[in-house]
Amino acid sequence: EAGVAQSPRYKIIEKRQSVAFWCNPISGHATLYWYQQILGQGPKLLIQFQNNGVVDDSQLPKDRFSAERLKGVDSTLKIQPAKLEDSAVYLCASSLVEERLYEQYFGPGTRLTVT
Amino acid sequence: GENVEQHPSTLSVQEGDSAVIKCTYSDSASNYFPWYKQELGKRPQLIIDIRSNVGEKKDQRIAVTLNKTAKHFSLHITETQPEDSAVYFCAASNDNQGGKLIFGQGTELSVKP
Repeated sequence: EAGVAQSPRYKIIEKRQSVAFWCNPISGHATLYWYQQILGQGPKLLIQFQNNGVVDDSQLPKDRFSAERLKGVDSTLKIQPAKLEDSAVYLCASSLVEERLYEQYFGPGTRLTVT
Repeated sequence: GENVEQHPSTLSVQEGDSAVIKCTYSDSASNYFPWYKQELGKRPQLIIDIRSNVGEKKDQRIAVTLNKTAKHFSLHITETQPEDSAVYFCAASNDNQGGKLIFGQGTELSVKP
């Protein structure tokens, strides 16, 4: 089966600019996660969707980050305006609801550099 | 909330030796513990997982043990090979939190030929 797709793979922007990332989960996976992985650290959950509803966004900096999952499939994560500390890899993951709920499959990530 | 501590941060072994990575968690309600392997510049990949109703699970050269009383779990890799070199992350989650994973800080494993 095809894996989780993400684009772009790399992005360099200046601080205060905006950026958007796209994720296409594995077909049929109802749950979608966005993680932020800062260099040398483990991934940190930003937001979790179940179909097109938000399950958990407690760690999302809502003053600058937003995410949506229209139609319960693809998702976009946006940062506006970006700060230097937003430099990280943004990972999207998905999992099934009915079986092995918590076996999450990760995409290749988008490496963001904010200068 | 849940907090996961992982040790050591770096581990170097000779090819053929065993490697052990340990994690502790704080939330006694956590009931799912996966381990991910992340090669440089690549996505994390699930290599093994264990649920709280099981004490040990093996898959070829990889095994995971769980001690619920002490709230710690460990990854054991036997007969290590150079291709095992990567960063390994442990994680914990609770069914009541919808599968949200809390990750440890990672262990960089280096297997020297």
